[in-house]
Amino acid sequence: QKEVEQDPGPLSVPEGAIVSLNCTYSNSAFQYFMWYRQYSRKGPELLMYTYSSGNKEDGRFTAQVDKSSKYISLFIRDSQPSDSATYLCAMSDHRGSQGNLIFGKGTKLSVKP
Amino acid sequence: DGGITQSPKYLFRKEGQNVTLSCEQNLNHDAMYWYRQDPGQGLRLIYYSQIVNDFQKGDIAEGYSVSREKKESFPLTVTSAQKNPTAFYLCASSFTGPTLYGYTFGSGTRLTVV
Repeated sequence: QKEVEQDPGPLSVPEGAIVSLNCTYSNSAFQYFMWYRQYSRKGPELLMYTYSSGNKEDGRFTAQVDKSSKYISLFIRDSQPSDSATYLCAMSDHRGSQGNLIFGKGTKLSVKP
Repeated sequence: DGGITQSPKYLFRKEGQNVTLSCEQNLNHDAMYWYRQDPGQGLRLIYYSQIVNDFQKGDIAEGYSVSREKKESFPLTVTSAQKNPTAFYLCASSFTGPTLYGYTFGSGTRLTVV
């Protein structure tokens, strides 16, 4: 079983739809959870950051962490064509300063006007 | 503005040739990382460095080499021993310490073997 599983998509939705992106993981020691957005031929940029469990909201974006189920989600409300990108989840147990981020393979999202 | 700069944006390599990808950051980050990204494969860690003059192999280090002589710089050399080097290469940096704040990525270098 891979440490982090993410459905690669592609996912195509109409403009204005609510998008749900998900990752599952196997390491119960993970406590830092992030979502990165990567536009085509660009580097990933940090979109959402969550420590431990719970929800975090930033504008149209909401990140959820359910540690009991080892499941994280990113919701995008009122999706826009500019949200079309690949979304990567990332997580770490960050033991002291030695922990490295483990990335999902990314979900490619297309928002159609 | 602080950031992380990768150069060149596109690079072409002939068979049997070594090439070096540049990565420079002015974020005062301690740690730097090199990833390779192939379609459907996600990000795979090549090398990382937590402090100057020290670095560790990642999951796919064979055929690659790095140096960390300055805090700001972490160049990656793709050697002729790397049999399938065509890929998108990403450099990243971060602070070290008790709290993880995430990585800042460069804009990438696309390497093609011709």
